[in-house]
Amino acid sequence: GENVEQHPSTLSVQEGDSAVIKCTYSDSASNYFPWYKQELGKRPQLIIDIRSNVGEKKDQRIAVTLNKTAKHFSLHITETQPEDSAVYFCAAGGGGSNYKLTFGKGTLLTVNP
Amino acid sequence: DAGVIQSPRHEVTEMGQEVTLRCKPISGHNSLFWYRQTMMRGLELLIYFNNNVPIDDSGMPEDRFSAKMPNASFSTLKIQPSEPRDSAVYFCASRGTLAGELFFGEGSRLTVL
Repeated sequence: GENVEQHPSTLSVQEGDSAVIKCTYSDSASNYFPWYKQELGKRPQLIIDIRSNVGEKKDQRIAVTLNKTAKHFSLHITETQPEDSAVYFCAAGGGGSNYKLTFGKGTLLTVNP
Repeated sequence: DAGVIQSPRHEVTEMGQEVTLRCKPISGHNSLFWYRQTMMRGLELLIYFNNNVPIDDSGMPEDRFSAKMPNASFSTLKIQPSEPRDSAVYFCASRGTLAGELFFGEGSRLTVL
């Protein structure tokens, strides 16, 4: 089955700096790679996703890049703000008839004012 | 739409008792997932259904766990008998397309004493 590794497990940045979170996956059939944000005590919510036919996608301050050959993808947050503080999860899946998503262990991002 | 609805939001029970968690997916979504979240193991997929049929239950920890989806608008996750190591937040999520966004419920926080 799919295995997703996520790094780092914690990340602390100053407000205004950039943050980068990286994930690797094992199943070359995976073709859907979403990123979820989970605030303390809340549910995970989708912030951006990318499919295997695209190398990069951007939405305002967040961007995701995908390298299918190397089987890794990254989340980039620019001009970080205190409200970006949360746990971020990457996931991979959707290949073939496999509908399930396998999540990484999460990254606790702290943005210091 | 009210989103994915889970109940109860919090459950405290004693070891050996039966626990039933409930989920109502978003209307029209044909895939339903049960995840368990702990600090140590992150978000683990327990089981998922497509069109009310269990597709993959390889994540169900042991025979004490069972899940059903009798119709398109209702699913249950049952633990019998419960043990302290089952303490976690259990999320239900639903999805409308094969590789679309996963929508999470608010979660059910289970504490087994």
